[in-house]
Amino acid sequence: EVQLVESGGGLIQPGGSLRLSCAASGFTVSTNYMSWVRQAPGKGLEWVSVIYSGGTTYYADSVKGRFTISRDNSKNTLYLQMNSLRVEDTAVYYCARESYYDYYAMDFWGQGTTVTVSS
Amino acid sequence: EIVLTQSPDFQSVTPKEKVTIICRASQSIGSSLHWYQQKPDQSPKLLIKYASQSFSGVPSRFSGSGSGTDFTLTINSLEAEDAATYYCHQTSNLRRTFGQGTKVEIK
Repeated sequence: EVQLVESGGGLIQPGGSLRLSCAASGFTVSTNYMSWVRQAPGKGLEWVSVIYSGGTTYYADSVKGRFTISRDNSKNTLYLQMNSLRVEDTAVYYCARESYYDYYAMDFWGQGTTVTVSS
Repeated sequence: EIVLTQSPDFQSVTPKEKVTIICRASQSIGSSLHWYQQKPDQSPKLLIKYASQSFSGVPSRFSGSGSGTDFTLTINSLEAEDAATYYCHQTSNLRRTFGQGTKVEIK
């Protein structure tokens, strides 16, 4: 059974750093495209970043230069390192698998982890 | 960046009624358009992939159509459990984007 479990969220002051984790089971992270998507309180979904199976990464302009997506193949885990956090980064952060067989639609999502940036 | 614009933003619908949600892309994206359903306090769920292909386990009342810049999600004979926000999403571009969402309320 495919499962994604995020962790690492919390309350952080503006300018601080946080690392989110997304532990996967039932499939191999390194052979899939994996994305982070966030949702600010009461708002819609916003794509944040993707890492391709080959390791290439892309970011939304709103986080480029501040966030870094990575993975640990030995732990089958996806990460999002978030630096220089801003109040507007406050959101629920989801990890999701982009399925090659589903034309890179996000076929499985985690339950989300909440990041609150506030002084 | 490819901008996806959904209409309407909100729709109040009677059970068994048909619902149509439109998603327009700022440039052609072929068929790389997907639809998700999100209920309150839940993660999004994939409904339709590649514009018109139903994802496994999705009820047959959900269907998608379109290509290029204009896409449609149709819910035939709406049920109470379909109250949710629906999002379109494109993977044509390296930087994925989502539509702003359409909230469907049951009257």
